[in-house]
Amino acid sequence: EIVMTQSPATLSVSPGERATLSCRASQRISSNLAWYQQKPGQAPRLLIYGASTRATGIPARFSGSGSGTEFTLTISSLQSEDFAVYYCQQYDNWPPRTFGQGTKVEIK
Amino acid sequence: EVQLVESGGGLVQPGGSLRLSCAASGFTFSDYDLNWVRQAPGKGLEWISHITRSSNTIYYADSMKGRVIISRDNAKNSLYLQMNSLRDEDTAVYYCARDAGSPPDWYFDLWGRGTLVIVSS
Repeated sequence: EIVMTQSPATLSVSPGERATLSCRASQRISSNLAWYQQKPGQAPRLLIYGASTRATGIPARFSGSGSGTEFTLTISSLQSEDFAVYYCQQYDNWPPRTFGQGTKVEIK
Repeated sequence: EVQLVESGGGLVQPGGSLRLSCAASGFTFSDYDLNWVRQAPGKGLEWISHITRSSNTIYYADSMKGRVIISRDNAKNSLYLQMNSLRDEDTAVYYCARDAGSPPDWYFDLWGRGTLVIVSS
């Protein structure tokens, strides 16, 4: 099973600032990585797939990068609606499909 | 509107059974593979099961293998999860999630709002 590890667990950021979230895979997964955003009481929403492709309707301030085992989600200028929990998920080698434990982005 | 709507959750005693349903609308249901993903209270996401568009291939997570059965009815645009021998640790919100499309696009591009299952005596 591929283990996904996200860091940090919590990120405190001021509105307008840049946020950088990390995700590491326990073995190489090429670019088969997705990022999701989840707000309290809501279902997850797809942000990024293929490590760097934004899903339909996702603002350009969200960007993804990386391949192999190291991946990054960057939010260039945090808006109030971006405070949420973010999960990475690998789909290179499954079952099982595995998620990271999440990074909570909170207001500083 | 393209959507997935889960139902069937509720309170069940340990050892009990429950059948979850997921109703799809706004897209051609039979063109997509589907999944169940769960989230325990205050915890992260856990993939549970996958079924291909024609039900030819099914996968389960080890945590629930032998206790759940995934199925679908393309004529009714519906996905199901039969859960048996439920344990306290199965308490979670259960989401229906659609796969984006053809391989290797095994990420979830559409999610339902979830249905809460509480296992407690």
